[in-house]
Amino acid sequence: ELKVEQNPLFLSMQEGKNYTIYCNYSTTSDRLYWYRQDPGKSLESLFVLLSNGAVKQEGRLMASLDTKARLSTLHITAAVHDLSATYFCAGVNRDDKIIFGKGTRLHILP
Amino acid sequence: DSGVTQTPKHLITATGQRVTLRCSPRSGDLSVYWYQQSLDQGLQFLIQYYNGEERAKGNILERFSAQQFPDLHSELNLSSLELGDSALYFCASSAHSDRGLSTDTQYFGPGTRLTVL
Repeated sequence: ELKVEQNPLFLSMQEGKNYTIYCNYSTTSDRLYWYRQDPGKSLESLFVLLSNGAVKQEGRLMASLDTKARLSTLHITAAVHDLSATYFCAGVNRDDKIIFGKGTRLHILP
Repeated sequence: DSGVTQTPKHLITATGQRVTLRCSPRSGDLSVYWYQQSLDQGLQFLIQYYNGEERAKGNILERFSAQQFPDLHSELNLSSLELGDSALYFCASSAHSDRGLSTDTQYFGPGTRLTVL
């Protein structure tokens, strides 16, 4: 069964710095999702990555997918306080069941 | 505002009871997804419907059922409620799906917070 692991689970960083959140998955997943959740709020879809080598960027966030390594990354460039949130990745197993990671709680210090 | 609405926002009920959560997708979206979020279990995908038909099934308990109606709104029915069913329940919608899970962006509703006492 597909397992999805994110790391780190907690991250506190300074504004202006770069950092990467890693999402490893255990078996084949034909797509990889990234979501954002602000405290007490609903989820927001960030990216859907469909193929090996896929890279998507939106503002200071860039997501990539390496299906051979079973790894997706979410890179944050020059972090700003507004990016403080919990970020989830999720893969999809053969039965089209979405499996989430535990989330990375990101706190960006001004 | 995502355009997805969920009712009610909050629901408090007792063990053994049955509740119905309602979701109205964005105008024109054919796919509806249901998710559960709790401290114990994290985020879990429950089920997806596309144009009235079940398309993908996740960790949905037998005590739970869902359906999507001809007007595309969806309902999640939770019965014989237990304390552990206390959670946030989100629905999301996306434009279409030609097979299984859509690759389209999902738009999430604000959620229903269920408390079982």
